[in-house]
Amino acid sequence: GQQVMQIPQYQHVQEGEDFTTYCNSSTTLSNIQWYKQRPGGHPVFLIQLVKSGEVKKQKRLTFQFGEAKKNSSLHITATQTTDVGTYFCAPNNNAGNMLTFGGGTRLMVKP
Amino acid sequence: NAGVTQTPKFQVLKTGQSMTLQCAQDMNHNSMYWYRQDPGMGLRLIYYSASEGTTDKGEVPNGYNVSRLNKREFSLRLESAAPSQTSVYFCASSPAYDLGRSPLHFGNGTRLTVT
Repeated sequence: GQQVMQIPQYQHVQEGEDFTTYCNSSTTLSNIQWYKQRPGGHPVFLIQLVKSGEVKKQKRLTFQFGEAKKNSSLHITATQTTDVGTYFCAPNNNAGNMLTFGGGTRLMVKP
Repeated sequence: NAGVTQTPKFQVLKTGQSMTLQCAQDMNHNSMYWYRQDPGMGLRLIYYSASEGTTDKGEVPNGYNVSRLNKREFSLRLESAAPSQTSVYFCASSPAYDLGRSPLHFGNGTRLTVT
């Protein structure tokens, strides 16, 4: 079955520092989605990556999809306290037709 | 436009009791899902429905049943609750029939405790 690992599990940063979370799959992916969940909240869709090597930006957030379509990353530049939450990747390998979620990276930002 | 609505928000059950979690979406989406999230963990898919009239098992279906009542509503039933089913349950929907290819819209969750 599909194996996906998201690292790190936790990250404490000082406000203004950068942050990166990685999602690594053992199989080639069809596409990958990223979600953010604030403490006590529900997951909210951020973005979907489909093409090999794709890079997408949303203000201070940069999303990348690896050339082999087996890994992806989310980078936040100059973190703010509003970035606090857990970031999940949701890879789709087109087998079994389900969207599964990585374990998430919990980001904590010290003001 | 409410999006995805889940009821109840909180529930406490005793072991062996049954209950149904309700979910409704008003976005005319085709696919609907039930996930559970245990403390500090990711989301695990329980059941999904790619379209009205169809349901399929996800990663952790044991102990649950679902009904896709119509296009709007997808319910999750616990026939005999167990403490291991203490979790936060999220319902989600997406426009596509092709699962995994369009964004999921989540409800606010149901926090279930089984004692």
